Amino acid sequence: EIVLTQSPGTLSLSPGERATLSCRASQSVSGSFLNWYQQKPGQAPRLLIFGASKRATGLPDRFSGSGSGTDFTLTISRLEPEDFAVYYCQQYGSSPLTFGGGTKVEIK
Amino acid sequence: EVQVVESGGGLVKPGGSLRLSCAASGFTFTNAWMNWVRQAPGKGLEWVGHVKSKTDGGTTDYGAPVKGRFTISRDDSKNTLYLQMNSLKTDDTAVYYCTTGLVYSRSAFNFWGQGTMVTVSS
Repeated sequence: EIVLTQSPGTLSLSPGERATLSCRASQSVSGSFLNWYQQKPGQAPRLLIFGASKRATGLPDRFSGSGSGTDFTLTISRLEPEDFAVYYCQQYGSSPLTFGGGTKVEIK
Repeated sequence: EVQVVESGGGLVKPGGSLRLSCAASGFTFTNAWMNWVRQAPGKGLEWVGHVKSKTDGGTTDYGAPVKGRFTISRDDSKNTLYLQMNSLKTDDTAVYYCTTGLVYSRSAFNFWGQGTMVTVSS
C-alpha cells in the first residue's frame, strides 16, 4: 500500500499569501495518478486537481498542482477567504487507493 | 444533474451488521465505477472500496481495514450501489460517502453524496 504523507499538518496564512502544500508518497505513484481535494466543514470533498497537475473544470487558476514520482505539491498562489479549508491528496496508481492525512489551511 | 444520495446509516452495536445504499441519478450508472469513502469524526478520508462497471468486469476491491467484513455490490437496474457491513467495530464509526469519477478519470472523484453517518457503539 502506498502511504501518502502530507505536510505541514496545519498552515497558518493570511489572505493574499501563497500556500504550498506537500504530499509525499512512500513509493512512486505510477502515471502521476494523484489527485487533490478540498474539504470544508460539514461538506463532502471537492476535486480540485487530477493527474497531478490538471485543474478540474471551473477551478480558479490560482490553484496549481505539480510533481511526479514520490513528491507532489499543491500551490495556491494568492489565498482567498474561501480557500481556508482542509486539503487531501489521493493516489490511484495502485490498489488500494489511498489518501493523505490532510493539510489544514487556516487564517492567521 | 448528477446526484448520489446515501441512506441506511444509524447506530449499531459492535459485531452487528448494516447495509448502506446509494441512489444515483443524472448519469449512466452502468458505466460508472462506484466507490465508498469514509471519514471518522475529526479524521481524514479513507477509501473503503469500489465496484467496477459490468463492462469492466464488475469486480470489487477493498481497503485492508474492511476486507473480508464489507461487501460492495450494485444493482444497475435500480441505479443503486450498496455497502454491506458485517462484524462492525467501533473503528468503523464514520460518515460514509458514495462517490464516483465521471469526467476526468474513474478514480478522480468529482461527484460525492452528502454522506450517511454510521455509529458503532454499545
